[in-house]
Amino acid sequence: DAKTTQPNSMESNEEEPVHLPCNHSTISGTDYIHWYRQLPSQGPEYVIHGLTSNVNNRMASLAIAEDRKSSTLILHRATLRDAAVYYCIRGDRDNYGQNFVFGPGTRLSVLP
Amino acid sequence: GAVVSQHPSRVICKSGTSVKIECRSLDFQATTMFWYRQFPKQSLMLMATSNEGSKATYEQGVEKDKFLINHASLTLSTLTVTSAHPEDSSFYICSAEGGQISWYRPAEAFFGQGTRLTVV
Repeated sequence: DAKTTQPNSMESNEEEPVHLPCNHSTISGTDYIHWYRQLPSQGPEYVIHGLTSNVNNRMASLAIAEDRKSSTLILHRATLRDAAVYYCIRGDRDNYGQNFVFGPGTRLSVLP
Repeated sequence: GAVVSQHPSRVICKSGTSVKIECRSLDFQATTMFWYRQFPKQSLMLMATSNEGSKATYEQGVEKDKFLINHASLTLSTLTVTSAHPEDSSFYICSAEGGQISWYRPAEAFFGQGTRLTVV
């Protein structure tokens, strides 16, 4: 049970922003929100993670709702190389050696 | 970031033979590694948790005698698919847990590039 829900697929135009939503309504106080993406025939790649505050890095931004029941991964300018399956995953901060439970993720298509 | 390397990236084997897949953490020590399997158009499914120096923990429905896991050192875990059959053809992915940096920084998972196994 991934305990997160995401849309199955989304489409974006190149160089436009993309907002990928994720619902995690049963999230606990010690759960982080992690985002990974998987390009075809590759292992998952770390994108970003957060706990309560919004986070920015060179790849993306993560906006976390105040009640933490949802979050949005923001790609500011989509490129063709961003076409991938994006996974939103809950991870327990206090669970050392945690495994990540993957849901179906969101398949992002980027149109030129 | 930390690097996890899998080898081989692709392997084709005959039905009934065994195949070994290696997962190495190149620049950090990983007491825990995870093995996933991914069928086409599906998500990653956890197969087992590999703990250095002890027996692996298998998920329900995964045959431990068929998928042998050895985690002999802090940087290497191996998955051996024994007596492989065509239905074992899949994309196998390992991850290594990078260790908790501090109380506010969760342990990150670093993934290998995956191994495409085809059993003919």
